Order: sequence, then C-alpha cells, then structure tokens
Amino acid sequence: EVQLVESGGGLVQPGGSLRLSCAASEFMFHNYWMTWVRQAPGKGLEWVATIRQDGSEKYYVDSVKGRFTISRDNAKNSLYLQMNSLRGEDTAVYYCARIGAAAGYYFDYWGQGTLVTVSS
Amino acid sequence: DIQMTQSPSTLSASVGDRVTITCRASQSVSVWLAWYQQKPGKAPKLLIYRASNLESGVPSRFSGTGSGTEFTLTISSLQPDDFATYYCQQYDRHSLTFGQGTKLEIK
Repeated sequence: EVQLVESGGGLVQPGGSLRLSCAASEFMFHNYWMTWVRQAPGKGLEWVATIRQDGSEKYYVDSVKGRFTISRDNAKNSLYLQMNSLRGEDTAVYYCARIGAAAGYYFDYWGQGTLVTVSS
Repeated sequence: DIQMTQSPSTLSASVGDRVTITCRASQSVSVWLAWYQQKPGKAPKLLIYRASNLESGVPSRFSGTGSGTEFTLTISSLQPDDFATYYCQQYDRHSLTFGQGTKLEIK
C-alpha cells in the first residue's frame, strides 16, 4: 500500500522558517509528480506546490512564490517543502500527495498531514 | 486563476437519498476535474478523476459527469459512511484550484 508520511511541522514565529519532509514508500517514487496541499483550520483545501519527477519543473500558488521551495530526493524517496518568511496565513495542515498516473494533476494518495502554526 | 464554485455549500440528506453536488469553473477546464471526500481530521480521498473516471476501490454509487465549466458528483444511494465534505479540483493548468467544499450532513 502506498504510504506518505509527513514530518517537520510545528510552532514557528512570523518571519521564521520551517522545512517539511514527506517520506514515500511502496511505490516507484521517482516515476511520479508530487505535490503539497494545505488546509487552514476549519477551511478548505489549497494547492501549494508541485514538482516533476526529476525536479526540472516546479509550480507554486502565487501566495507562496519566492518564500516556499519544493524539492525532492529520489534516492531517499523524499519530498520537501522549505518554507521561509512565514506568515500567520500560512498556518495550516500541510499534506503531501502523489499525482496520479493518468494524464493530469489529480492527487491519488495523500499523507496524514503535518500541522504548521505560525504565531508569536 | 481559474475559480471553482461548488453548490450547495451544505446539503442535508438521509440514508438512501440520491444527492448531486455541482461544481462550476470560471473558464473551461475541459475534463480535467477531480472530486475528493474528506472526513474530519483525515486526509482527502480521491473519488473521481478526469470528470467521470471512478478511482479504484471507490463504490459505484459515486459517479461524476460534466465537461467545460459545469460538473456534477452524484451519490446514487447515500450510505452512513458518505456523510463528509466533498471538494472538486481543477487541473487544467499548472495552477490548480479547489472548490470551497460541500458539507453533506445527515438530515
């Protein structure tokens, strides 16, 4: 069974940084696009960033461009999200998700999420 | 960016009912639309992709239709496990967007 396990969340002050990790297992990680999606407390889902299999293409929602960086290490079956200059509105549960094998960017497997709280 | 609008925001229904949730896009997304189910405290679960393709393992009472700007998710006969929040998501462009969600409640 595909597994995605996020880690690295926690409490951080505004302006601070945090690096999220997502450990993937039970599938050929290097063959799949991957993504981060977040959900603020009591709110809906928001796509954050997507990365191609080899890391050569990366896409971001406008609100995180220049502050967040998505990356991956295929040798370690791991996905990352480096978050800098954090703001209160970045407070959310962050999910990593696998993008499905059929054409298009839909998310067929999700991790359990890691909570990021930005507060002083 | 493409905006996705779901209706209704909340839906009250009973076990056995047939329910339909609508998702409208601000511009055409062709068939590049997915539906997800989310229960409190859990990650979303993929139900439908490419507008009408049922994800493996998802019960056949779930179905999706539509293309262009208007899409529907139908549950043919509600089961107790179906009470949850449902989201649509477009993926016509590299900028991906979700609808605001539809909470399906027990009447």
